[in-house]
Amino acid sequence: EPEVTQTPSHQVTQMGQEVILRCVPISNHLYFYWYRQILGQKVEFLVSFYNNEISEKSEIFDDQFSVERPDGSNFTLKIRSTKLEDSAMYFCASRAQIDTEAFFGQGTRLTVV
Amino acid sequence: EDKVVQSPLSLVVHEGDTVTLNCSYEVTNFRSLLWYKQEKKAPTFLFMLTSSGIEKKSGRLSSILDKKELFSILNITATQTGDSAVYLCASYSGAGSYQLTFGKGTKLSVIP
Repeated sequence: EPEVTQTPSHQVTQMGQEVILRCVPISNHLYFYWYRQILGQKVEFLVSFYNNEISEKSEIFDDQFSVERPDGSNFTLKIRSTKLEDSAMYFCASRAQIDTEAFFGQGTRLTVV
Repeated sequence: EDKVVQSPLSLVVHEGDTVTLNCSYEVTNFRSLLWYKQEKKAPTFLFMLTSSGIEKKSGRLSSILDKKELFSILNITATQTGDSAVYLCASYSGAGSYQLTFGKGTKLSVIP
């Protein structure tokens, strides 16, 4: 069964460092998303990506964040200068069409120390 | 601001019990409502509901949407310990690519 794959599963980084979280969405999907979940809180939308560009982003997704789909299969989230409050589980998701369900990856747990 | 509210936030039941989880929503440009099960990490898809009054069923799980009252329920009959998880309700909203707005989840614990 096709699935969304995320790497790494866990990343520890020092405050101020750049991190890149990687995702391989399901191959025929068109819509890609990043969400995050701070421990004990709800899942929050960060950004959506369609047709090789950002289609929507939340207030959380400030200038420190960027997304890329460099090669038609990978979908990356970059945090330029990490802060302690960026510590969270980051989920990648993808959807085939506009009115279909989103499938989530297993997540990357980011710990900023 | 879009809002999805789930209740109860946590629930402890015995194996074999039937449970009902609640979800209310207030979102702009509502498209559909989804239920996910989150055991350890990734939310796994259960149901997507778009039309009012049509029950969706999968084994012991079922769900229904009321678009007039802006409400959905998830029922689990004959609960098993493997049903223990956080159940997330989410709504597609917004324009364009329709992101999901999630509720806080209901943590269900099924004890033998």
